[in-house]
Amino acid sequence: DQQVKQNSPSLSVQEGRISILNCDYTNSMFDYFLWYKKYPAEGPTFLISISSIKDKNEDGRFTVFLNKSAKHLSLHIVPSQPGDSAVYFCAASETGANNLFFGTGTRLTVIP
Amino acid sequence: GAVVSQHPSWVICKSGTSVKIECRSLDFQATTMFWYRQFPKQSLMLMATSNEGSKATYEQGVEKDKFLINHASLTLSTLTVTSAHPEDSSFYICSASFDGRSYEQYFGPGTRLTVT
Repeated sequence: DQQVKQNSPSLSVQEGRISILNCDYTNSMFDYFLWYKKYPAEGPTFLISISSIKDKNEDGRFTVFLNKSAKHLSLHIVPSQPGDSAVYFCAASETGANNLFFGTGTRLTVIP
Repeated sequence: GAVVSQHPSWVICKSGTSVKIECRSLDFQATTMFWYRQFPKQSLMLMATSNEGSKATYEQGVEKDKFLINHASLTLSTLTVTSAHPEDSSFYICSASFDGRSYEQYFGPGTRLTVT
């Protein structure tokens, strides 16, 4: 049972425009959410996170929004750059638990 | 900081042989290490969690006797795939955390295993 879902396997965006990646979760006990970026044949690298006590966290070009009532989070990248092209995974965690639950990933392609 | 390495980065082995993958935290002491497996176009699936000096905790459906995990020191964990079969071919990724909190995991670059 996939507790974290990314329903869009791929997304293409023009350079300079906004990229919006979406993620849904089913477990209401999740209270910490992360986005990871992954290049082929490499491990994921941490990008940005958000605690359930917040609804927005911003770091440079990256902003994560959390809608707890909808069990939905999104990652906004603006402006998008060709170097942002990668697979993005959202992940969720529950305080006291020992693991992260990952979505299936969204492949972002930023077109120059 | 917080660099995790894996070795080898890729390995090809024959069916029936065993393969060992190493995961090292290079600049911090990892109290907990995690092993994931990723199939093409799928999510990272947690296989097991190991704490230094104790037995690994395996996720449901993961065979303990097939995927042997050893976390002998605070900087090294190994995953041994025993009697490998072609269906074990996958991308194996380790991660480490230095304070036991799962949301501060640092990932290795992964190991591509191909069993022929």
